[in-house]
Amino acid sequence: DAEITQSPRHKITETGRQVTLACHQTWNHNNMFWYRQDLGHGLRLIHYSYGVHDTNKGEVSDGYSVSRSNTEDLPLTLESAASSQTSVYFCASSEPSGTFYEQYFGPGTRLTVT
Amino acid sequence: KQEVTQIPAALSVPEGENLVLNCSFTDSAIYNLQWFRQDPGKGLTSLLLIQSSQREQTSGRLNASLDKSSGRSTLYIAASQPGDSATYLCAVRRAGNMLTFGGGTRLMVKP
Repeated sequence: DAEITQSPRHKITETGRQVTLACHQTWNHNNMFWYRQDLGHGLRLIHYSYGVHDTNKGEVSDGYSVSRSNTEDLPLTLESAASSQTSVYFCASSEPSGTFYEQYFGPGTRLTVT
Repeated sequence: KQEVTQIPAALSVPEGENLVLNCSFTDSAIYNLQWFRQDPGKGLTSLLLIQSSQREQTSGRLNASLDKSSGRSTLYIAASQPGDSATYLCAVRRAGNMLTFGGGTRLMVKP
C-alpha cells in the first residue's frame, strides 16, 4: 500500500544545531507540504513543492529550508534550531485529480529544541 | 488572508449523543473543505471532503455540510461512541493547492 513516512518520529536537539527531518511518500504525488502544529495555532504551512526542483515558502518559513531532488522525498532542514521551533511537524502529499483534491498526512515528528 | 475558526475548542458528551462541530472561514473563495480526525500523538486522517459546489457529504455516522456563502461548515456525528474521542480539524483549500486549518475541536465521549 502507498504511504507517507516521516523520520525520526521524535528528536531532541540543542539550540543552534542543524536538524533535518525526512519525509518519504510512495504515492508518486507531485505535491508535497510541510506543516508545524502548535497548541492554539492548528497546523501552519512551512514550505511546499509542486514537483522536482520546485520549492515555495509558506506562511511560517523563516529558519526552515527544503529541497526536492526526486518525487518521493521532501526533507525539511532547520538551519540553526531555535527553541521557538519546538513543535510537531507533519508532512503531507497530494495529487489533484480534476476538482477532487485530498492531502495525505504522515504520522508526524515531535521535535524538541533545548 | 483566510482565517479558519472552530468552535467549540473542546467538547465533552456522554455516549450516544448526537453532536455538531462548527467550522467558519472568512474568505468564501474556496475550492473545497476537508474534515480530519487526529488521535493523540498521531497524524491526520481524512474523514470527509466537500467540494465548493456541494452542500454535504456523508460517511457512516458522519455528515458534513457546507454553506460557502456564509463561510460555515458543520460536522454532525450521530450516536457518538467513546471511540470517536479525538481532535477534529477542518481545513479549507485555497488557490495553489494549499490548506488553511482551524485550531481544532477536542472531543471526549464518555462511556
